[in-house]
Amino acid sequence: KAGVTQTPRYLIKTRGQQVTLSCSPISGHRSVSWYQQTPGQGLQFLFEYFSETQRNKGNFPGRFSGRQFSNSRSEMNVSTLELGDSALYLCASSLDPGLSYNEQFFGPGTRLTVL
Amino acid sequence: AQSVTQPDIHITVSEGASLELRCNYSYGATPYLFWYVQSPGQGLQLLLKYFSGDTLVQGIKGFEAEFKRSQSSFNLRKPSVHWSDAAEYFCAVGVDTGNQFYFGTGTSLTVIP
Repeated sequence: KAGVTQTPRYLIKTRGQQVTLSCSPISGHRSVSWYQQTPGQGLQFLFEYFSETQRNKGNFPGRFSGRQFSNSRSEMNVSTLELGDSALYLCASSLDPGLSYNEQFFGPGTRLTVL
Repeated sequence: AQSVTQPDIHITVSEGASLELRCNYSYGATPYLFWYVQSPGQGLQLLLKYFSGDTLVQGIKGFEAEFKRSQSSFNLRKPSVHWSDAAEYFCAVGVDTGNQFYFGTGTSLTVIP
C-alpha cells in the first residue's frame, strides 16, 4: 500500500505570494492532518479534515486554510506569505478513529522557503 | 491544556551505549502516547505507541518505552544504540476528542562511533 504523498517536495516563494500544497493520504484513510515544523517551534498542529470537513484547527492565522476532497486528498493554502512561514509542512493521514484512536502516518513533507 | 515536554534538546551517546529520551505530558485523562523518529529530509515514522494495558511497550528497531502515570512520563529507551539511530525523536500525545496530536519539540540524537 502506498504511503502518504505530498507535492511538491520543495517550494520557493517570495513574500506576499500565496502557495498551495497537496497531500494524498493512504488509501482508505479518511482523516488528514497538517502540521508546520520549524526548528524553534517543533511540530505545530494546523488543522485536521475528515469527510471534507474541518474538524479541528490549531492556533494559526486565517492566512492558513485547507480543504479536503471527496477522495480524501487534501490541500492547504497559505496566502500573503511571510518570511516566518518558511518551514517543513507535514501531512498525516489516519483511519476514522471512531471510538478508538488510530495512529497517524506521515508524508515526507513539503519544504517551503519564503524569500 | 494538553502539552508535551521533551527536556533534552540534544543528546550525544557512543555507539553501543544505552539510551533514554525523556518525555513528560500534561493531560487530564489517560493519554494515547506515541514516539516518532524523523531522519533528515524525511517524514515521521512511528516507533511505538501506548493506548492501554501493559505499561512497557515494545517498538520497532529495538526501542521500548514505559508509561508511568504517577510521573506523567513516557520515556523512550534502547539498550544499545546503533549509528543509524541518529535522528530527531518526537514524543506525542493523542487526544480522544477528535484526531488531534500534541508533539514535543523533539530531541536530536547524535551517535559517536
